[in-house]
Amino acid sequence: DTEVTQTPKHLVMGMTNKKSLKCEQHMGHRAMYWYKQKAKKPPELMFVYSYEKLSINESVPSRFSPECPNSSLLNLHLHALQPEDSALYLCASSQIGGLTGELFFGEGSRLTVL
Amino acid sequence: GDSVTQMEGPVTLSEEAFLTINCTYTATGYPSLFWYVQYPGEGLQLLLKATKADDKGSNKGFEATYRKETTSFHLEKGSVQVSDSAVYFCALSEIQGGTSYGKLTFGQGTILTVHP
Repeated sequence: DTEVTQTPKHLVMGMTNKKSLKCEQHMGHRAMYWYKQKAKKPPELMFVYSYEKLSINESVPSRFSPECPNSSLLNLHLHALQPEDSALYLCASSQIGGLTGELFFGEGSRLTVL
Repeated sequence: GDSVTQMEGPVTLSEEAFLTINCTYTATGYPSLFWYVQYPGEGLQLLLKATKADDKGSNKGFEATYRKETTSFHLEKGSVQVSDSAVYFCALSEIQGGTSYGKLTFGQGTILTVHP
């Protein structure tokens, strides 16, 4: 079983809706990530949080708003999305300064924007 | 910057055939190397990893050896099954001074389809 839990697994929203994706991990990792993945393409990094602070924003449009309320939780708030934002959104976590650089991924939230 | 190049796919094999998916990399430091697998409709799972030269990662019958001299990390399996049908991603994580930066650089992915 994955140790990174994402909810919901599927989400359908209109372009005027506001919704949120949630991610939780209990491995004690202090780095958490949001990736966006189109079908059969590699994941693209969106945001990185280190010690609950945003450390990397890969020039993501402001209609995506990340939040890290505590060391175990990561949210992605969605507002006024476009159909091209439909994708699989993956959350991941890792140790900071770990020896291997391994990321642990959740199962993803599949988003459809109508 | 760092980069990962995977063999172009898709790859179609019959059950029990031998599998090789080539992966080469460029990195300024001394990276850790990974193979992630994504089954249809699912997230990414770590398949295997290697953190130093000549390390062999192995899992579920898959193997890959970290070859620093050829900057390669080719994935192999001696006898594939229909259940191995998935997308396979080679990836690296830059390691400098003994610690990671936490960012993965992915290859483009290789779609594997195994027929009965």
